Amino acid sequence: GDSVTQMEGPVTLSEEAFLTINCTYTATGYPSLFWYVQYPGEGLQLLLKATKADDKGSNKGFEATYRKETTSFHLEKGSVQVSDSAVYFCAPQGGNTPLVFGKGTRLSVIA
Amino acid sequence: EAGVAQSPRYKIIEKRQSVAFWCNPISGHATLYWYQQILGQGPKLLIQFQNNGVVDDSQLPKDRFSAERLKGVDSTLKIQPAKLEDSAVYLCASSLGGQGNFAAFFGQGTRLTVV
Repeated sequence: GDSVTQMEGPVTLSEEAFLTINCTYTATGYPSLFWYVQYPGEGLQLLLKATKADDKGSNKGFEATYRKETTSFHLEKGSVQVSDSAVYFCAPQGGNTPLVFGKGTRLSVIA
Repeated sequence: EAGVAQSPRYKIIEKRQSVAFWCNPISGHATLYWYQQILGQGPKLLIQFQNNGVVDDSQLPKDRFSAERLKGVDSTLKIQPAKLEDSAVYLCASSLGGQGNFAAFFGQGTRLTVV
């Protein structure tokens, strides 16, 4: 079945640092790819998505590019803020199968 | 647009008791999911509905968990009897369709503590 591997956390960065959270996946067919974010005490929120190869999803300064050749969907942000502290989940969704989540990567940004 | 509504937000029960969670998806969303998220882990799918039919319940512990989606709108998830290891956040999500190009939207979740 589908699966996802994210870099282990926690990741601690200083404000304005560059962020990369690696994500690789295995999926049948041609999945759509999603990043979800979970802020402290809140539910999961869709951050961005990409539905085909070389698509770039972006939102709130975050970006991720669908790399079919490397089955990756790494999340990046050029300058993180304290308010970005959260847990980030990469999730593929292939065909009519549900979202598959990894363990998530906890990001802590310090001022 | 109203989001996915879940209730209750929190529930504490003793082991071997029963509990039920309710979810009201976004209007018009045909697909509804229930996920279980244990502390420190990613959400794990319990069951997926398409309208009022079950698409995937392969990871639902059917000896104690049950779910229904009457009339293809609201859904309830029940645990009977509860075990200590059922302590988790139960997330409901909905989407326009089950295909991957439709993003899923999540509710706030119900935090269950079994003591």
